[in-house]
Amino acid sequence: EAQVTQNPRYLITVTGKKLTVTCSQNMNHEYMSWYRQDPGLGLRQIYYSMNVEVTDKGDVPEGYKVSRKEKRNFPLILESPSPNQTSLYFCASSDRGDIQYFGAGTRLSVL
Amino acid sequence: AQSVTQLGSHVSVSEGALVLLRCNYSSSVPPYLFWYVQYPNQGLQLLLKYTSAATLVKGINGFEAEFKKSETSFHLTKPSAHMSDAAEYFCAVSDLRGNEKLTFGTGTRLTIIP
Repeated sequence: EAQVTQNPRYLITVTGKKLTVTCSQNMNHEYMSWYRQDPGLGLRQIYYSMNVEVTDKGDVPEGYKVSRKEKRNFPLILESPSPNQTSLYFCASSDRGDIQYFGAGTRLSVL
Repeated sequence: AQSVTQLGSHVSVSEGALVLLRCNYSSSVPPYLFWYVQYPNQGLQLLLKYTSAATLVKGINGFEAEFKKSETSFHLTKPSAHMSDAAEYFCAVSDLRGNEKLTFGTGTRLTIIP
């Protein structure tokens, strides 16, 4: 079954404690992306990757890092989380020119 | 830069009534347009997409949308609402290269009244 898997689904942490949200896809897609969803703002792209070792900033990259060492994985790293990063995060993947498939989301609370 | 405007953050319709969710886009190039649906505690699921073929696009669950270039609109409709349609709906636009970057609207929460 085609899947984009995010872990964890829920995470509560404290300000400044580094965390990583993992994302894995089993469709051999070249393109992967991270979005955050906030009430009244819709989804905004954080970072994206066109292929292994190729990443670029989206619309709201501040405070986030990503890496793409393998085609299937695209982790999102918050080196020093702050309360304004409390949000619902989605990973997505696609082939070039095809639809994007979304993970189930990770709800992050930073206290 | 591309953008999408969804009119109405909340829409309520009675079961069996017409569903109309509005989306207007701004794009300097012919756009690709999408509607996604998000059910509670789930990720986004593609309803339908427009990629410059037929202007009337049919999607899943009885939804359809019509691309109107003159009005820069891509409104989502369903003739008869069902309770299971209650969800949040997002319109999104991409550039001519494809789906690599989606710009989303702010979403419309659809409530169905029994």
